Amino acid sequence: TQLLEQSPQFLSIQEGENLTVYCNSSSVFSSLQWYRQEPGEGPVLLVTVVTGGEVKKLKRLTFQFGDARKDSSLHITAAQPGDTGLYLCAGGAGNNRKLIWGLGTSLAVNP
Amino acid sequence: NAGVTQTPKFQVLKTGQSMTLQCAQDMNHNSMYWYRQDPGMGLRLIYYSASEGTTDKGEVPNGYNVSRLNKREFSLRLESAAPSQTSVYFCASSSHQLIEAFFGQGTRLTVV
Repeated sequence: TQLLEQSPQFLSIQEGENLTVYCNSSSVFSSLQWYRQEPGEGPVLLVTVVTGGEVKKLKRLTFQFGDARKDSSLHITAAQPGDTGLYLCAGGAGNNRKLIWGLGTSLAVNP
Repeated sequence: NAGVTQTPKFQVLKTGQSMTLQCAQDMNHNSMYWYRQDPGMGLRLIYYSASEGTTDKGEVPNGYNVSRLNKREFSLRLESAAPSQTSVYFCASSSHQLIEAFFGQGTRLTVV
């Protein structure tokens, strides 16, 4: 069974701090995605990475896909209260059209 | 752009009642999914439809049925609701290649 483990599960920081969230697996994924979910809403796609070692930046967010395509990280620089939410990683593998989901990291950024 | 539209947004059912959750997408996506999200359990796949005309079970299909009515619409039916089905239900769709999922706003279902 393919699993994606996210850490930490919860994170509470002050505005302006930096943070990194991790998504790890023993399985290889053809693509890996990060989503953010705000209370009362569905998850919203932030980024997709497909190449081992790939780094993508989205303003203050930096996403990295591991060289072996088994893990990924999300780094937020100078966090803001608007970054508060649940961050989910999801991996795609094979041709079965299903995603494997991590349980998420709940981030609270305090003013 | 509407994206993925789910109805209803909230529902309270009595044990044993039935209901259908509706989902429609306007992005011409081939694949559609139904998930449930529970605290500490993450997103769990109930059923999915890789393409029009096909449906397959996910991790937690028991107590549910689905219909892929056409390319746009994918409905989820609870034939006899149970308190264990109290959850937030999300419909999602994805394009053919990268399985990037686009979600609806969710249906908050309570079974009493």
